[in-house]
Amino acid sequence: AQSVTQLGSHVSVSEGALVLLRCNYSSSVPPYLFWYVQYPNQGLQLLLKYTSAATLVKGINGFEAEFKKSETSFHLTKPSAHMSDAAEYFCAVSDQANQGGKLIFGQGTELSVKP
Amino acid sequence: NAGVMQNPRHLVRRRGQEARLRCSPMKGHSHVYWYRQLPEEGLKFMVYLQKENIIDESGMPKERFSAEFPKEGPSILRIQQVVRGDSAAYFCASSQGAGNQPQHFGDGTRLSIL
Repeated sequence: AQSVTQLGSHVSVSEGALVLLRCNYSSSVPPYLFWYVQYPNQGLQLLLKYTSAATLVKGINGFEAEFKKSETSFHLTKPSAHMSDAAEYFCAVSDQANQGGKLIFGQGTELSVKP
Repeated sequence: NAGVMQNPRHLVRRRGQEARLRCSPMKGHSHVYWYRQLPEEGLKFMVYLQKENIIDESGMPKERFSAEFPKEGPSILRIQQVVRGDSAAYFCASSQGAGNQPQHFGDGTRLSIL
């Protein structure tokens, strides 16, 4: 069965500092991986996706993620945090074992940005 | 380009009533997914539909919950005889296809049970 683990339910960084949000996956097949961001009282917005092309994926708002098969990881990074990055971030894997590709989400990481 | 539209945004029901949540997918999308987000929990898959067909309902509770995606009109998630434990945010997502196609989410319906 496929699964996702996000290490750290809360991460706090200073404005301008590096953002690193960790995601590890488990999958018996080459995975399709996604990062989403959720602002309060809103839906999820797609940040980026990995679908077996380049291992370094660039997304919106300056975020990027690197797929590392040997570490089964797909960590999200941003070189310099901005106040507007404060939100909850979800890593997800597409379930290819069953028809349809439903998303299996991690528990989420809440990012706080201090001025 | 209109995104995924969900209504209502907020819904209040008393125990025992019925709740109907609507979702209109993005234009050109024929795949619809419903997820539930309980307080302090992540998002959990409920059901996946294509036009007039339920493809995967492995995340749906066995009783009281049903979903449809008719040929015409929005997808509907229906909860009969609601209980306090049904209080949650319900999100709909749509995509052009399954697997590696990204899912685009609506802003959700926040259901409160009195």
